[in-house]
Amino acid sequence: EAQVTQNPRYLITVTGKKLTVTCSQNMNHEYMSWYRQDPGLGLRQIYYSMNVEVTDKGDVPEGYKVSRKEKRNFPLILESPSPNQTSLYFCASSRTGAAPRYEQYFGPGTRLTVT
Amino acid sequence: AQSVTQPDIHITVSEGASLELRCNYSYGATPYLFWYVQSPGQGLQLLLKYFSGDTLVQGIKGFEAEFKRSQSSFNLRKPSVHWSDAAEYFCAVSAGGTSYGKLTFGQGTILTVHP
Repeated sequence: EAQVTQNPRYLITVTGKKLTVTCSQNMNHEYMSWYRQDPGLGLRQIYYSMNVEVTDKGDVPEGYKVSRKEKRNFPLILESPSPNQTSLYFCASSRTGAAPRYEQYFGPGTRLTVT
Repeated sequence: AQSVTQPDIHITVSEGASLELRCNYSYGATPYLFWYVQSPGQGLQLLLKYFSGDTLVQGIKGFEAEFKRSQSSFNLRKPSVHWSDAAEYFCAVSAGGTSYGKLTFGQGTILTVHP
């Protein structure tokens, strides 16, 4: 089954304790992205990756890191989480082409609470 | 910069009634437009998309949307709503160029369906 998986699904942590949210896709997609969802703001892009070893900032990258060492995996790293990073996080992937016309497939989400 | 506005934060309809969710976008080039649905506790699922051609596009679950370039709109419609349609709906526009693939989302519209 084609899918994007994220782990963990739920995480409660304390300020400053480093954490990693994993994302994996089995569709051989080149493009992967992380979004955060906050009430009234919709989803906003944090980072994206066009392919292995190619990553770039989205709209809200502060406080986050990513890496793309393998095509299927795109982990999101919070080196020193703060309460304002409490949010619902989604990973997504898609094919790439001459135009951004391909559907992005979303993972189930990770609900993060930082106290 | 691209932007998407969904003017209605919350809409309530009766089961069997028709539905229209509004979406206005701002984008300097050819827009690639999407509607996603998010059921409670779930990820995002693509309902339909528009790239070019026929301005009336059909999607899954009986939804359709009409692209109107002159009004910068991409409204979602369904002739008869079912209780299972209760969810949050997001309109999004996809970027090309240096922000390839970035989805810019509207704030979302929560749909409540009364029996």
